[in-house]
Amino acid sequence: TQLLEQSPQFLSIQEGENLTVYCNSSSVFSSLQWYRQEPGEGPVLLVTVVTGGEVKKLKRLTFQFGDARKDSSLHITAAQTGDTGLYLCAGGSQGNLIFGKGTKLSVKP
Amino acid sequence: GAVVSQHPSWVICKSGTSVKIECRSLDFQATTMFWYRQFPKQSLMLMATSNEGSKATYEQGVEKDKFLINHASLTLSTLTVTSAHPEDSSFYICSASFNREFRDTQYFGPGTRLTVL
Repeated sequence: TQLLEQSPQFLSIQEGENLTVYCNSSSVFSSLQWYRQEPGEGPVLLVTVVTGGEVKKLKRLTFQFGDARKDSSLHITAAQTGDTGLYLCAGGSQGNLIFGKGTKLSVKP
Repeated sequence: GAVVSQHPSWVICKSGTSVKIECRSLDFQATTMFWYRQFPKQSLMLMATSNEGSKATYEQGVEKDKFLINHASLTLSTLTVTSAHPEDSSFYICSASFNREFRDTQYFGPGTRLTVL
């Protein structure tokens, strides 16, 4: 069974701080997706990374796919209260997505 | 772009009744649609995958006769929960992919909250 472990599970920081959340597995994935989900809503796609070692930037968010395509990280610079939410990583495997349990981020003003 | 809608956004029904949930891709043709279930404080669990015009593929442990999936067109898939029971209460989310060769990038609908009394 393929599993994606996300850490930390919960993170509470002050506005302006930097943070990194991790997504790790012992399995190789064809791609890695990061989503953000608000309570009572569906996940919103932030990025897809496909190549090992790939780095993508989306404004203050930096996503990295591990060289071996088994892990990924999401780094947020100068967090804002609007970044609050549940961040989910999902690994692509044989045309389906395997989801991690998520990191619940709370950014306080 | 890549907008997916779901209807209804929430539904309450009595035990034993059937409930239909619609999933539509609004601005693209979805070659594949996926149905997930999410229990409180848990992650998304894939229930089934459907391609337009063919039978859905169900994940292990998901009863195909209880969760009927129809993918009649490239923009519409429906999930019918038959003879619903309280344990079926959950957040049901669909997603859609428009790349048959690369289904990993999926766009999700807003979800449907089902409560069975």
